Amino acid sequence: QSALTQPRSVSGSPGQSVTISCTGTSSDVGGYNSVSWYQQHPDKAPALIIYDVSKRPSGVPDRFSGSKSGNTASLTISGLQAEDEADYYCCSYAGSYTLVLFGGGTKLTVL
Amino acid sequence: EVQLVQSGAEVKKPGESLKISCKGSGYSFTNYWIAWVRQMPGKGLEWMGIIYPGEAETRYSPSFQGQVTISADKSATTAYLQWSSLKASDTAIYYCARTQSTWYADYWGQGAQVIVSS
Repeated sequence: QSALTQPRSVSGSPGQSVTISCTGTSSDVGGYNSVSWYQQHPDKAPALIIYDVSKRPSGVPDRFSGSKSGNTASLTISGLQAEDEADYYCCSYAGSYTLVLFGGGTKLTVL
Repeated sequence: EVQLVQSGAEVKKPGESLKISCKGSGYSFTNYWIAWVRQMPGKGLEWMGIIYPGEAETRYSPSFQGQVTISADKSATTAYLQWSSLKASDTAIYYCARTQSTWYADYWGQGAQVIVSS
């Protein structure tokens, strides 16, 4: 069971938008609407920012949005702010044997 | 307020045993899954396994099956992750996280650093 595939890094200037992709297979991302995204700042615990593909927990700005097409999920961050600089991980349910897979993580740099 | 408070950092030698804890509060502990997630130094997140404290139902990711044991004490509202014989490769930060039925982790512990070194 391989990790989901994310770009190692993305960058953008304040105010711009960036999209982070998360590619899996029909056995994980494509097979279930159980995709979530986590933000992790250095030396901090991960924090949930998107669940069930596109839902946002209370308190998460609407600048963060999620979507899915086929075997690829995406996280879009619009109106980039300095505090968005962090690592981002996608996550998907992958069936009763594998359970859950994380992506390898994407480092977002705000220029 | 939902909180997951984990035990402190540990420094152990290879071959030693270890049990780390995750105490839940501010919610009905028996009605939510608790997952354990590993983060090796400078690396990404890895899902290890999950327990439903209300029924002690436990599931492991294939990579961690047989390598660790997940348990819970309902009366203490605490979940545990344990090793019987640590290896240097177990050096990592371990997070516990409350997990919902559609497999997302909405609350996380602060993490417990485990260092295994001779």
